[in-house]
Amino acid sequence: GAVVSQHPSRVICKSGTSVKIECRSLDFQATTMFWYRQFPKKSLMLMATSNEGSKATYEQGVEKDKFLINHASLTLSTLTVTSAHPEDSSFYICSAHPPSGGPGDTQYFGPGTRLTVL
Amino acid sequence: GEDVEQSLFLSVREGDSSVINCTYTDSSSTYLYWYKQEPGAGLQLLTYIFSNMDMKQDQRLTVLLNKKDKHLSLRIADTQTGDSAIYFCAEDHGSGNTGKLIFGQGTTLQVKP
Repeated sequence: GAVVSQHPSRVICKSGTSVKIECRSLDFQATTMFWYRQFPKKSLMLMATSNEGSKATYEQGVEKDKFLINHASLTLSTLTVTSAHPEDSSFYICSAHPPSGGPGDTQYFGPGTRLTVL
Repeated sequence: GEDVEQSLFLSVREGDSSVINCTYTDSSSTYLYWYKQEPGAGLQLLTYIFSNMDMKQDQRLTVLLNKKDKHLSLRIADTQTGDSAIYFCAEDHGSGNTGKLIFGQGTTLQVKP
């Protein structure tokens, strides 16, 4: 099946710094990628839809200036957590949606990035 | 609004069948999905069902859909310790194949040897 990678897998940073997380589709082109946040023992919360060549679409309650998304190419989307604070600590997961394919190919998920803000 | 509910925990013995239940509120769903998440990892698509189907079987997995009651279930036959994980149901709230999904809270399946 299709592969989606995330980098880094784990990051620890100081409060006030910015952290960039990359999401790559390795063997297919993805015009659409999704960024999720997962709290412990909680569901995945969709943060935004990343569209190649256009602005990301953010879900209600997600701060655009806090979570910057750039979908510069058909295989790469980045999420930058700006001025990170301890409450931003979470597991961030991306997924990529191929432009074609059946419902079973709807989304391929990355392995996730564990962010810890001290 | 959109809401997907799951029970949070299920414990079974190895070799038994597991049944994980899910309810949803959006009747416009086109596809419903089951994903598996192992500790510290991303989500793996297990199976999906089109909304006009009642049942789908794929090896040890059986998905049942009661559209009238908006109830989805995943049955795992002959459950193995390797099946221990969190299982998420998800629906696409009518968006079809655009990729945007609404997830339940996840059911933690514990398989005891």
